[in-house]
Amino acid sequence: NAGVTQTPKFQVLKTGQSMTLQCAQDMNHNSMYWYRQDPGMGLRLIYYSASEGTTDKGEVPNGYNVSRLNKREFSLRLESAAPSQTSVYFCASNVAGDTYEQYFGPGTRLTVT
Amino acid sequence: DQQVKQNSPSLSVQEGRISILNCDYTNSMFDYFLWYKKYPAEGPTFLISISSIKDKNEDGRFTVFLNKSAKHLSLHIVPSQPGDSAVYFCAARPYDKVIFGPGTSLSVIP
Repeated sequence: NAGVTQTPKFQVLKTGQSMTLQCAQDMNHNSMYWYRQDPGMGLRLIYYSASEGTTDKGEVPNGYNVSRLNKREFSLRLESAAPSQTSVYFCASNVAGDTYEQYFGPGTRLTVT
Repeated sequence: DQQVKQNSPSLSVQEGRISILNCDYTNSMFDYFLWYKKYPAEGPTFLISISSIKDKNEDGRFTVFLNKSAKHLSLHIVPSQPGDSAVYFCAARPYDKVIFGPGTSLSVIP
């Protein structure tokens, strides 16, 4: 049981390049999330998917797109990377329920130059 | 404007003593509060939670207190251990999402 996995762990992009961050969970969770973590800002929600086939914007969705490929996988795409998107990105999942205890992946450290 | 605030960016405590991490929130509609712990180069892990209908929840060395009238919660760690050194995030749930505070970095000195 690997929990939540993310690839890649590190990535350097030039401004304007595109890339997709991959996330997968093997806990049969319904809900999945993408966050970014910046110094002094905590974790900010980019997009989330309450169930397979649905996605919704979070607090900071601009510049990103997502795809809930199936129940296990939730990808985050940067179409044209900008230096402001330099951050650490975390994927998370949880069972839809009362407590919203989320399980996080190890993160992807992205630098845009 | 941050809805979940952790006004102390860092805290240092001697091993064996009590660590108290504080959190304030602005939205009275939050119905559930959580604390997460994060080590460097790892994702956050869930630590403890409390429903808004309670004022205290305890799990081993960790206790969370909620003061709804003051919109304040705190995490107590007793006794503190060097392995507790990490960043602690306070989080609150409105409806179907979770809002995180900026975090407090705890250092437990042996």
